[in-house]
Amino acid sequence: GIQVEQSPPDLILQEGANSTLRCNFSDSVNNLQWFHQNPWGQLINLFYIPSGTKQNGRLSATTVATERYSLLYISSSQTTDSGVYFCAVEREGGGNKLTFGTGTQLKVEL
Amino acid sequence: ETGVTQTPRHLVMGMTNKKSLKCEQHLGHNAMYWYKQSAKKPLELMFVYSLEERVENNSVPSRFSPECPNSSHLFLHLHTLQPEDSALYLCASSHRTQNEQFFGPGTRLTVL
Repeated sequence: GIQVEQSPPDLILQEGANSTLRCNFSDSVNNLQWFHQNPWGQLINLFYIPSGTKQNGRLSATTVATERYSLLYISSSQTTDSGVYFCAVEREGGGNKLTFGTGTQLKVEL
Repeated sequence: ETGVTQTPRHLVMGMTNKKSLKCEQHLGHNAMYWYKQSAKKPLELMFVYSLEERVENNSVPSRFSPECPNSSHLFLHLHTLQPEDSALYLCASSHRTQNEQFFGPGTRLTVL
């Protein structure tokens, strides 16, 4: 099956700092999503981004499908950004099946 | 209600009990999913339903039995579970042809 690797696995930031999270995948995809999992377990949709660049407030994401990676940028981080960030992909011809990466655990400190 | 809801939010059960998890989506989607998230592990897909038909059973033990009576509701029936089945169970939904998935808040299951 498709492999999804996220880096870094853990990240600690001071409030106000910027960061970049990376997602590498091993096969062609027709769906890529970024999620934020809060401390209560809820998965919050950040981006649906099989290709290109999108921005939403302090967050932006870029997927370069031909090179099989995606980046999530967080600017001016806040303590509420803490949690786990997951990348999930659907392989081309994958029949709606999302494969999740292992996540990046982010902690933003005052 | 909007989005995807799940009940109960927390469940503690013994190994001989039978219980059911419920998921309901209010997004007009026609595909629904069950995922399992064990501690320190990524989400694992369990079942996929598309147009109320099961299209994927990801090698899940038969003690987990899904049911999708219509495009808005999904159940996961549990019986004779093991302690290693303790996990967060998440439901999601999407359009069948554009697979942007939206998740419910999850049911945190503890098997004693």
